[in-house]
Amino acid sequence: DAMVIQNPRYQVTQFGKPVTLSCSQTLNHNVMYWYQQKSSQAPKLLFHYYDKDFNNEADTPDNFQSRRPNTSFCFLDIRSPGLGDAAMYLCATSRDTVQETQYFGPGTRLLVL
Amino acid sequence: GDSVTQMEGPVTLSEEAFLTINCTYTATGYPSLFWYVQYPGEGLQLLLKATKADDKGSNKGFEATYRKETTSFHLEKGSVQVSDSAVYFCALRRSGNTPLVFGKGTRLSVIA
Repeated sequence: DAMVIQNPRYQVTQFGKPVTLSCSQTLNHNVMYWYQQKSSQAPKLLFHYYDKDFNNEADTPDNFQSRRPNTSFCFLDIRSPGLGDAAMYLCATSRDTVQETQYFGPGTRLLVL
Repeated sequence: GDSVTQMEGPVTLSEEAFLTINCTYTATGYPSLFWYVQYPGEGLQLLLKATKADDKGSNKGFEATYRKETTSFHLEKGSVQVSDSAVYFCALRRSGNTPLVFGKGTRLSVIA
């Protein structure tokens, strides 16, 4: 039944040590999104893929990168995590950009020491 | 640019009380409107949505009506339960390749 899966649910990394968060989906949706959500704030879109086309939000720091090797998987890479990058990272999917409903995963909470 | 404004929380209610969480928006054109709910430690779940003026979205006893004249999409529930304790996000999305725009969220705590 799981539709959008994120692993791990909790990730601890060290300041400056690269970290990768993963997301997979069983919905066969074209679009996959990554959001950053800091405590008591709204989710903030970092970027999304429409199929293999990457769309970066203008204010997403260069420290954040993403890969989508196939339809099912999408990765968020943080090249040099800072203390300010500690947050919940949410993955979401939608069928396409006209289909408006996004389906969210449970999130990965990142802690930077 | 597009924006969503929600009433600030936290909101604390007793079980079986009536709930209203206000949401107003600013957007060009005719956006779709959503309410998402986030339970503690979990991701967001779509609660309900409305895609055009005067549409009413409803789910699990929650309702919201798309009011274009007041640019509002207030969330209501007639009788809340402890299990409704969560953070509620109002959001909009214009058609095409545009992202969801979220409000800041309203934390609801329901006490027995």
